[in-house]
Amino acid sequence: DAKTTQPTSMDCAEGRAANLPCNHSTISGNEYVYWYRQIHSQGPQYIIHGLKNNETNEMASLIITEDRKSSTLILPHATLRDTAVYYCIVRGNTGNQFYFGTGTSLTVIP
Amino acid sequence: GAVVSQHPSWVICKSGTSVKIECRSLDFQATTMFWYRQFPKQSLMLMATSNEGSKATYEQGVEKDKFLINHASLTLSTLTVTSAHPEDSSFYICSARARTAVWSPLHFGNGTRLTVT
Repeated sequence: DAKTTQPTSMDCAEGRAANLPCNHSTISGNEYVYWYRQIHSQGPQYIIHGLKNNETNEMASLIITEDRKSSTLILPHATLRDTAVYYCIVRGNTGNQFYFGTGTSLTVIP
Repeated sequence: GAVVSQHPSWVICKSGTSVKIECRSLDFQATTMFWYRQFPKQSLMLMATSNEGSKATYEQGVEKDKFLINHASLTLSTLTVTSAHPEDSSFYICSARARTAVWSPLHFGNGTRLTVT
């Protein structure tokens, strides 16, 4: 599975959009990009996933570049409850496993 | 939908004893479940893949005789930490994927905080 690189930490003002980048330059054609977040002392929460098209759901939007080597998770109107560690994971169909990287610690500031 | 329930949410045990953690998929069947461990301020580390009706697959460096995994049904996997020691104190998290959806995401339980005294 492709390795991902994310910034260690980011801040975002409450009410503004939070844009969290992820690099996955070695991604292959059949590998999906998944985003999860983990609030302190809880299990990871699924946010969104995609293959090559941009995706949107009630939580967030996922923008994947045309070459698929990077993606951005967008939280359109960040709230204090969005403060968490956000993980970007790439997984293909050769294995079931999800391997977590170090993630981005997002702090939403009042 | 896709709820994964983990029990207990926290447990304290004495060194040398064994502890069993349960992971259930409440509204879907899961042929495969995954067990992770997370130390403070670190990311999740995959320990093993639990397969219904067959032996678990352990990641490199994880002792299979210490971390016993049983996946006896399509909705239940258990992790038993045998002869626990203080260094086994950690946050253990399970996850599962719906049986028929190959690309569907994993859904995670809320974790079990194990403290070994």
